[in-house]
Amino acid sequence: DVKVTQSSRYLVKRTGEKVFLECVQDMDHENMFWYRQDPGLGLRLIYFSYDVKMKEKGDIPEGYSVSREKKERFSLILESASTNQTSMYLCASSFISGGGTQYFGPGTRLLVL
Amino acid sequence: DAKTTQPTSMDCAEGRAANLPCNHSTISGNEYVYWYRQIHSQGPQYIIHGLKNNETNEMASLIITEDRKSSTLILPHATLRDTAVYYCIVRVVEGYSTLTFGKGTMLLVSP
Repeated sequence: DVKVTQSSRYLVKRTGEKVFLECVQDMDHENMFWYRQDPGLGLRLIYFSYDVKMKEKGDIPEGYSVSREKKERFSLILESASTNQTSMYLCASSFISGGGTQYFGPGTRLLVL
Repeated sequence: DAKTTQPTSMDCAEGRAANLPCNHSTISGNEYVYWYRQIHSQGPQYIIHGLKNNETNEMASLIITEDRKSSTLILPHATLRDTAVYYCIVRVVEGYSTLTFGKGTMLLVSP
């Protein structure tokens, strides 16, 4: 079974803090994705990566950065957390040829105070 | 990606088959039908996908009409753990563009 794990299920941070969210997948997938999910707004893509050290902006990259130093690991960084970044953050992965079949982690619910 | 239309909610008795419909009348020839679900406070879970033939896996069956304008996801013996929001998506199989979930169908399985 594909396993996608995220470093934390729940996180509370203060405004202005730097926040690291880490995602690890064990299926040798080329693609990895970071989404946020908010009530009424659905799933929105923040960044994705199709290879080590490669990254592409999604629909809402402002205020975020990413890092992919190893194939199995994709990190999302909030440079200076703000209250409007309170959300559920979801990581996903897929094969390069199967972008429609994405496997998600359990999610990190981030609260920024 | 083509738009989809799903009922807002459905009920199903435990042990019975749950049949979740989806309309996708503007689907293109190279677009597949995908189904995902999301149990409360968890990440979305891939269920199944297909192009034009019916598909079955250990979780569900997918029936796509001959004109491909609609499909039905079938959970043959629903359990309480199948209570979730079910999303129908149509998109090309390759590529790394985002998944666009609509509002989905809230399936409530009752004892």
